[in-house]
Amino acid sequence: DQQVKQNSPSLSVQEGRISILNCDYTNSMFDYFLWYKKYPAEGPTFLISISSIKDKNEDGRFTVFLNKSAKHLSLHIVPSQPGDSAVYFCAAPTQGGSEKLVFGKGTKLTVNP
Amino acid sequence: NAGVTQTPKFQVLKTGQSMTLQCAQDMNHEYMSWYRQDPGMGLRLIHYSVGAGITDQGEVPNGYNVSRSTTEDFPLRLLSAAPSQTSVYFCASRGILNSPLHFGNGTRLTVT
Repeated sequence: DQQVKQNSPSLSVQEGRISILNCDYTNSMFDYFLWYKKYPAEGPTFLISISSIKDKNEDGRFTVFLNKSAKHLSLHIVPSQPGDSAVYFCAAPTQGGSEKLVFGKGTKLTVNP
Repeated sequence: NAGVTQTPKFQVLKTGQSMTLQCAQDMNHEYMSWYRQDPGMGLRLIHYSVGAGITDQGEVPNGYNVSRSTTEDFPLRLLSAAPSQTSVYFCASRGILNSPLHFGNGTRLTVT
């Protein structure tokens, strides 16, 4: 039973355009969400996070939006660059703190020059 | 600063063999964990540790053992490898509660 769902396995966008990656969750008790980026043959790296007390968090070209009523979050990348091509994972702690982090299946983003 | 170091990078085992995947971190992090990544499955938590001498099970612990004798090291043991354990294994650590995980570059394991 997937608690964090990324329903789009892949996404392709043109350089300079906006990339929107989506994530849905089932547990209304989740109160903190993270996005990780993964290049081939490397480990995931942390990108951005958001607490449930906020509905938006921004870091440079990356913005995460949280809609608690819809149990949905999205990662916006503007403008997209070829170096953003990677697999993006949405994740959430299943209990207080991040002892047990559950991940979505990931979305592979390809940014075309 | 090396961060999280995993060895080996690649390993091929025959069914029934045993091996230990090594993980070391130099950030003085109390929390360490092991994940496996399978195609189309995301990352799934195997075991984790909140400090030396303390370990607990994650989502998919069967077939794996861990111990934490030092803050720096968190080895993952496969006592009798099975083809279902073919996967990419990632070790991760973090500092304070809710801080992001730092991942190693993974060990790709194939069990034939």
